[in-house]
Amino acid sequence: QQPVQSPQAVILREGEDAVINCSSSKALYSVHWYRQKHGEAPVFLMILLKGGEQMRHEKISASFNEKKQQSSLYLTASQLSYSGTYFCGTEGVIGGAQKLVFGQGTRLTINP
Amino acid sequence: DGGITQSPKYLFRKEGQNVTLSCEQNLNHDAMYWYRQDPGQGLRLIYYSQIVNDFQKGDIAEGYSVSREKKESFPLTVTSAQKNPTAFYLCASSIDGLAGDTGELFFGEGSRLTVL
Repeated sequence: QQPVQSPQAVILREGEDAVINCSSSKALYSVHWYRQKHGEAPVFLMILLKGGEQMRHEKISASFNEKKQQSSLYLTASQLSYSGTYFCGTEGVIGGAQKLVFGQGTRLTINP
Repeated sequence: DGGITQSPKYLFRKEGQNVTLSCEQNLNHDAMYWYRQDPGQGLRLIYYSQIVNDFQKGDIAEGYSVSREKKESFPLTVTSAQKNPTAFYLCASSIDGLAGDTGELFFGEGSRLTVL
């Protein structure tokens, strides 16, 4: 029940845009997005709680398509500080309770 | 400052030894979690606790043990039964306990365990 992220890696020049997708084979109730810089802890970006919802964190936005069981993260006019690995997390049943299950991550590299 | 503190940051262990990783939070959060991170595999849940004196197995609990005797502490023991313990371990907490969906996770800086 691990969500699938695509692409696995992206390399951009500063100022370019990117889209990261997160898909689930099961119905999505909420989607979390986190960013992790190399050697650091993941940092929360945003939660989308219902279909059709869109959220924004600085110049990073996300959408949640409940019917397609998919969420997309949009990075606009990328900055060097956006480099890192992005993880989506979706609610899945673990140990009898609903807990976050993370995708495998998308590594984003921004070059000057 | 409120946050999550993990220690040690780096740990080396010989095969056959148990090791305990510390995780302390002063955020007054009810729920605490342990994740394991391996390259290319994302974050996998080892154990979680939604309330003091209670904890549940995650996806990959075999070879690990935890305790939750205090709200602010959730130590993880990597036992000799864990076949491939070399990994990066992350502790996290969230405000929600038994009710509702998982809220925002706050992560510690992580502990990197290497088995020699």
